[in-house]
Amino acid sequence: QQQVKQSPQSLIVQKGGISIINCAYENTAFDYFPWYQQFPGKGPALLIAIRPDVSEKKEGRFTISFNKSAKQFSLHIMDSQPGDSATYFCAARPFSGNTGKLIFGQGTTLQVKP
Amino acid sequence: DAGVTQSPTHLIKTRGQQVTLRCSPKSGHDTVSWYQQALGQGPQFIFQYYEEEERQRGNFPDRFSGHQFPNYSSELNVNALLLGDSALYLCASSLEGGAFSPLHFGNGTRLTVT
Repeated sequence: QQQVKQSPQSLIVQKGGISIINCAYENTAFDYFPWYQQFPGKGPALLIAIRPDVSEKKEGRFTISFNKSAKQFSLHIMDSQPGDSATYFCAARPFSGNTGKLIFGQGTTLQVKP
Repeated sequence: DAGVTQSPTHLIKTRGQQVTLRCSPKSGHDTVSWYQQALGQGPQFIFQYYEEEERQRGNFPDRFSGHQFPNYSSELNVNALLLGDSALYLCASSLEGGAFSPLHFGNGTRLTVT
C-alpha cells in the first residue's frame, strides 16, 4: 500500500524562526512531490513541488529538500510569519502518467507566534 | 480567470439519502478529480474524470459515483449516505498532458450526515 507519513502533527514557531515539516514515503513509484497549504474553510493551495531527480528546490521563503535514497522529503519555511499559520500537507503522485491522484500525508498544523 | 468553483458550500443530509455535489474546473483545465477530506486528515482520492469517463478510482465503494460533462464540469454523487460520509469534499482540476500539471483545488463542499 502506498503511504506518505508526515511529522510533526503540530508545530509552534516564533516569528522569524524556521519551520520544518518532514515526510517519508514507502513506495518508490512516485514521480512528483508537492506541498499544499490549507487555511480554515479553504481548499488546499499548491505551495511548491519537486521531482525526484532534484535534491532541493527553493521558492522565496519556502524550500523543499529531497532525499531519494532515504525516501524522505521536507519543507523548510524561513523567516516564518504569522500569516504562514495554516495546515500543511505533503503529497506524492504515483507514477502512472495520471495527473489527478495524489497520496497526502496527515497534515501539520503550524502556528507562528508574533 | 475563475478558479475551481464548487457548489453548494454546505449541505446537511440524513442517513440513507442521496447527494449530488457540483464542480466547475479552472478555465483551460480538462481533468477533474474528487477528494474526501475528513476532519483533521489529509484529502483522500476518490476518482478522476477525463473525456467524460472515470479514469482512475481510489478505495471508495460504488455508492460514490460521478459524471463529467462536455464542458468539463463534474458531479459527485453519493448514495445511501452513512454518518461516516460526513466530510469536506474537494474538487481539483488539472490539464491533461502536463507531466507535472499541478492540481488546483476548490474550497470544497462541507457535507454533514445526521
